[in-house]
Amino acid sequence: NAGVTQTPKFRILKIGQSMTLQCTQDMNHNYMYWYRQDPGMGLKLIYYSVGAGITDKGEVPNGYNVSRSTTEDFPLRLELAAPSQTSVYFCASSYSRGRETQYFGPGTRLLVL
Amino acid sequence: KQEVTQIPAALSVPEGENLVLNCSFTDSAIYNLQWFRQDPGKGLTSLLLIQSSQREQTSGRLNASLDKSSGRSTLYIAASQPGDSATYLCAVTYNTNAGKSTFGDGTTLTVKP
Repeated sequence: NAGVTQTPKFRILKIGQSMTLQCTQDMNHNYMYWYRQDPGMGLKLIYYSVGAGITDKGEVPNGYNVSRSTTEDFPLRLELAAPSQTSVYFCASSYSRGRETQYFGPGTRLLVL
Repeated sequence: KQEVTQIPAALSVPEGENLVLNCSFTDSAIYNLQWFRQDPGKGLTSLLLIQSSQREQTSGRLNASLDKSSGRSTLYIAASQPGDSATYLCAVTYNTNAGKSTFGDGTTLTVKP
């Protein structure tokens, strides 16, 4: 099992550009999450999904969009990138709500200039 | 607001010392509490998951306790080693949050040889 994979590892965007961060898990997990982590801080939830076709907002959803067409994939879309979106983005998955641990991907480091 | 606080933000100890990391949360109605380890530039690795009905969990040199009434959890690391140097994050899933986790900002541990 590859676990949770994320691409790209690092990206530089100009203000106003858009991009999609990819996340794939091969553990047949129902729950998937997108977090962002700013320097020296904990993780803040952007969006989450409880299954294919079902998504909901987390703590900091503004400026982002998600979709979940399959169990395996949970892409995060950034529209009109802003410097405030400079961060490290982590995707995670779990089988159910909280009974099992969350598994994290290696992260995508995004710099918006 | 449901918050998670970790104090201190940084801790430095000599090799071999036993140490305790602290996590406090504002609402006792939690679903579970999880401790993660994060190495620089890496994703998160789950260390211990404590369900709300449990008082502690152990894995090797690690022991995590949970006291819901006081809103506290501790992570005890026995006989610390330089390889334990990392940032340790506490995450709480509250009953009202539909499986979403709230993270503390972490404690950065340095174990000196």
